[in-house]
Amino acid sequence: ETGVTQSPTHLIKTRGQQVTLRCSSQSGHNTVSWYQQALGQGPQFIFQYYREEENGRGNFPPRFSGLQFPNYSSELNVNALELDDSALYLCASSLEWASTDTQYFGPGTRLTVL
Amino acid sequence: AQSVTQLDSQVPVFEEAPVELRCNYSSSVSVYLFWYVQYPNQGLQLLLKYLSGSTLVKGINGFEAEFNKSQTSFHLRKPSVHISDTAEYFCAVSEKGAQKLVFGQGTRLTINP
Repeated sequence: ETGVTQSPTHLIKTRGQQVTLRCSSQSGHNTVSWYQQALGQGPQFIFQYYREEENGRGNFPPRFSGLQFPNYSSELNVNALELDDSALYLCASSLEWASTDTQYFGPGTRLTVL
Repeated sequence: AQSVTQLDSQVPVFEEAPVELRCNYSSSVSVYLFWYVQYPNQGLQLLLKYLSGSTLVKGINGFEAEFNKSQTSFHLRKPSVHISDTAEYFCAVSEKGAQKLVFGQGTRLTINP
């Protein structure tokens, strides 16, 4: 059974650019959540996708957007990058969106904005 | 809204000593509680979770946690730690009916030989 995978591992961008991060969910999982983890902080919820629809959003501006595809893989897009967007971006998948379902995290993508 | 406070940012202990990592939460609704571990350069791995039932929850790698509703706490314990337990530990809550996890700031556990 393949776990959650994310690509790329590391990414360096400059302020104002756009970035796309990718996540492949664990086999059989239809729910994907994205989290931002700034250095020295706990992860913060960005949004969740369930069966290709956004199913909840945290306190992030609209320049953070996402997609979920029919195979339940997902993308996180960030436009107009700011220095504060530098962080580890974590993707988590779960069997369903129920709060009792365990979320399985990928290794993350480390984004550096210069 | 929920919030989580991990009372210690760093906890150094000697190998084979017991350890307790403290977590308090605040919420106006019923919540589920979780502990995750993050090893260097890795994602988060679930240690244990409390959904209902017995307030003492046993997890992987010999860890356990106790839910105390009156004190709104969910402290993590291990009777004897190993070098391999060196990692960052995160306490998290989710509101019943929603999967969004709210994390604490993390506690860095350092094991000294």
